Amino acid sequence: DAGVTQSPTHLIKTRGQQVTLRCSPKSGHDTVSWYQQALGQGPQFIFQYYEEEERQRGNFPDRFSGHQFPNYSSELNVNALLLGDSALYLCASSLGELRGYTFGSGTRLTVV
Amino acid sequence: GENVEQHPSTLSVQEGDSAVIKCTYSDSASNYFPWYKQELGKGPQLIIDIRSNVGEKKDQRIAVTLNKTAKHFSLHITETQPEDSAVYFCAASIEDGATNKLIFGTGTLLAVQP
Repeated sequence: DAGVTQSPTHLIKTRGQQVTLRCSPKSGHDTVSWYQQALGQGPQFIFQYYEEEERQRGNFPDRFSGHQFPNYSSELNVNALLLGDSALYLCASSLGELRGYTFGSGTRLTVV
Repeated sequence: GENVEQHPSTLSVQEGDSAVIKCTYSDSASNYFPWYKQELGKGPQLIIDIRSNVGEKKDQRIAVTLNKTAKHFSLHITETQPEDSAVYFCAASIEDGATNKLIFGTGTLLAVQP
């Protein structure tokens, strides 16, 4: 049984560009959350999607947006990239409001 | 706002010794406290969790304790092994039926020396 799958694993972008990261949740999970993990820090909550809607949002600017598809997969979009957006972006899936998060291995984004 | 403090930031122990990592949370409404282990190049993996109606939980060599009054919770690993070496994160959440956002600590790098 595949866990949470994220793509790509690594990405290098230039300041000002836009990026899309993708996530396929664990089989049977319907809720997807996105976290940003800066080097040496704990993950920070970006937002959560359930039933194709954003259910809650963390303290991130509107440059960060997302989407959830009918098959529960999700995308994270970041516009107008800044150097400070360089981080590991983690996707976590769960079943509804249950706390049993399963994290993917993340996408390492480097902005130059 | 919500905040979770974690100490120590690094911890080195000899194989077979015990390791203790401590966290403090700020939001008294928090009622769910998971611990995650993150190995290099991987995402966090849940190792144990505790809810506020329980003071202690144990799973083999791993235990977690919770002091709601002091807003402290701790991870205890006994008989440490080299494969326990990783970064450990505590987190806090509010189970309110609406969402399950986790607030993470800053992590503890545990090194178990053979």
